[in-house]
Amino acid sequence: DTGVSQNPRHKITKRGQNVTFRCDPISEHNRLYWYRQTLGQGPEFLTYFQNEAQLEKSRLLSDRFSAERPKGSFSTLEIQRTEQGDSAMYLCASSLRGSTYNEQFFGPGTRLTVL
Amino acid sequence: AQSVTQLGSHVSVSEGALVLLRCNYSSSVPPYLFWYVQYPNQGLQLLLKYTSAATLVKGINGFEAEFKKSETSFHLTKPSAHMSDAAEYFCAVSDGAGTSYGKLTFGQGTILTVHP
Repeated sequence: DTGVSQNPRHKITKRGQNVTFRCDPISEHNRLYWYRQTLGQGPEFLTYFQNEAQLEKSRLLSDRFSAERPKGSFSTLEIQRTEQGDSAMYLCASSLRGSTYNEQFFGPGTRLTVL
Repeated sequence: AQSVTQLGSHVSVSEGALVLLRCNYSSSVPPYLFWYVQYPNQGLQLLLKYTSAATLVKGINGFEAEFKKSETSFHLTKPSAHMSDAAEYFCAVSDGAGTSYGKLTFGQGTILTVHP
C-alpha cells in the first residue's frame, strides 16, 4: 500500500494524559500537513512541514501540541495534558513539492476520544 | 484570507435524481478549488479539482463541478445519484503553493443522503 498511513486509528485516553500520533506519508512526498476535524465540521489546518522543517503553525496549535518530522519522512503529533476539547479526528495529508496543483492525499485519520 | 461556504449541511435525494451540492468561496488570489468525499470513519478522497484550466471539471464516480468566477461558486453535480454516493462532501480552497504553503481551507461539509 503506497497511501498515507496513520497510527493508531483510534485512541481513547483520560484527561490529563499525553498522546502521540504517527503519520507516514507517501514515500516521495516532501510536504506534510496535519488537520483536525471535530464532529460536524470540516477539517482545520494545524501545521505544515516541508521536509523536516515546520514552516507554519495554526493558532489552533496551542503550546500543549507539538509536531515533529525529524528525518523528513514520518511525522508525529503529540498532545500533552489532553483536554476533552481535544477529542477530534486528526488527519494527516502529504503532497509533492513541485506538483502543479499541490494535490494533497489524506490518511484515514486518528480518532481521539478524551474521557 | 480564504474561506468556503457550503450551503446546506444536509441534502437528501432519491436514487437516480440529480445531485447538486453548493459551494461558494472567497479568495484574494486565483484559487485552486477541490471537492473531497468522506465516508464514515475514513479519510478524505479527492473527487475533483479546479486549477484554472477548463471551468467545467470532471471527476471520479460521475461527479463534475463548474467554476464560475463571477459568482465565486464551484458547485458539485451528478446527473443520477447512486446509493453508494451517500457520504459527506467537502469543498476546499487553496492558493496552490503560494504564501499559505498550499494549505486547504474547508467548508463545513454537506451530508448527502440517497433514498431508494
